[in-house]
Amino acid sequence: KAGVTQTPRYLIKTRGQQVTLSCSPISGHRSVSWYQQTPGQGLQFLFEYFSETQRNKGNFPGRFSGRQFSNSRSEMNVSTLELGDSALYLCASSLLWGEYNEQFFGPGTRLTVL
Amino acid sequence: KNEVEQSPQNLTAQEGEFITINCSYSVGISALHWLQQHPGGGIVSLFMLSSGKKKHGRLIATINIQEKHSSLHITASHPRDSAVYICAVPYNTDKLIFGTGTRLQVFP
Repeated sequence: KAGVTQTPRYLIKTRGQQVTLSCSPISGHRSVSWYQQTPGQGLQFLFEYFSETQRNKGNFPGRFSGRQFSNSRSEMNVSTLELGDSALYLCASSLLWGEYNEQFFGPGTRLTVL
Repeated sequence: KNEVEQSPQNLTAQEGEFITINCSYSVGISALHWLQQHPGGGIVSLFMLSSGKKKHGRLIATINIQEKHSSLHITASHPRDSAVYICAVPYNTDKLIFGTGTRLQVFP
């Protein structure tokens, strides 16, 4: 069974641009969570989706948004990029939604904002 | 005070040594994750446990829900175990709160 895939793996953008990152969960998994990892803040929760609905959102500005499609694939979008958005963006999928579900992580998308 | 604290932050060991990484948390949880991150960023889920002990190869994870403490042990450490080990607790369903990580280096 294929793991979680994320595209693109690397991305370079300039300030003010917008970016869309994609995550394909493990086949059969219906929950997708997104995380941001920076050297200063570590790993932080962005949002999670289950059955095309956002179930939870972290403490990030409205420039960060996401969605989930009927096939459970998810995208996140960051508009008006800032230098501080440079980070590794990770998504994780799990079978269902809830505390007891093990999450499986993708390889991440490394975003650099110049 | 961080809700999830790990110790130590950095750890160096000689190949073959027994290693322990600790995780304490202040939020009420039902399960705890141990994750491994290698240089390059990829994260691998090692364990998810809600009570007692789990073992996978040379890795052992224990948790004490009452004391809000978990430990990850590596027996007979090997240079390929060098990585960052992160504990994480789910808060409000799938939202994970992460510890700051323990950077482990095992030298031959």
